[in-house]
Amino acid sequence: DSGVTQTPKHLITATGQRVTLRCSPRSGDLSVYWYQQSLDQGLQFLIQYYNGEERAKGNILERFSAQQFPDLHSELNLSSLELGDSALYFCASSDRGGADTQYFGPGTRLTVL
Amino acid sequence: EDKVVQSPLSLVVHEGDTVTLNCSYEVTNFRSLLWYKQEKKAPTFLFMLTSSGIEKKSGRLSSILDKKELFSILNITATQTGDSAIYLCASNTNAGKSTFGDGTTLTVKP
Repeated sequence: DSGVTQTPKHLITATGQRVTLRCSPRSGDLSVYWYQQSLDQGLQFLIQYYNGEERAKGNILERFSAQQFPDLHSELNLSSLELGDSALYFCASSDRGGADTQYFGPGTRLTVL
Repeated sequence: EDKVVQSPLSLVVHEGDTVTLNCSYEVTNFRSLLWYKQEKKAPTFLFMLTSSGIEKKSGRLSSILDKKELFSILNITATQTGDSAIYLCASNTNAGKSTFGDGTTLTVKP
């Protein structure tokens, strides 16, 4: 158990809908990272927040957005969902902003029908 | 664009064999290189490398970084069936961005 929690574990929704994934980092960690892992694309870095501020951006679509709240938990919002958004979404946390050792949560499996 | 390439893509060995996994990277403002093991769930951290030529070791696993040639290797000696997993390499930048390779799938047969 890495200490990073993610909810929900599974999410099934329809195309065009909007969902919110939630992540609570390890106690004391200030950085949160979001990743998408699909079968055909491997692990893709989406975005990083450090102490409430956006720190780095990867291959995140405009339909996706994220934020980190004062209590350091983070939410990833996915809107206008498409079939291709079906994937495993991981959250990771680290204690610093330099993307060093990251501890991964169990992931949220999103299925878009 | 930052790039991380792992080889081989997959590998099948027998218990007791030694394996070497490769990771090359092209990254702007490189900070560190990390190795992860992923079984049926989330990746788990193995090593973080920041300096060239210094081997990191944990039991039967070891890893080293060459910042001049821009690559890293992960060695596993005396492999066991429990080592079967996908091994991921990731480069991290000073700006906080991570780029992952596609992984090497290792299968260890009894």
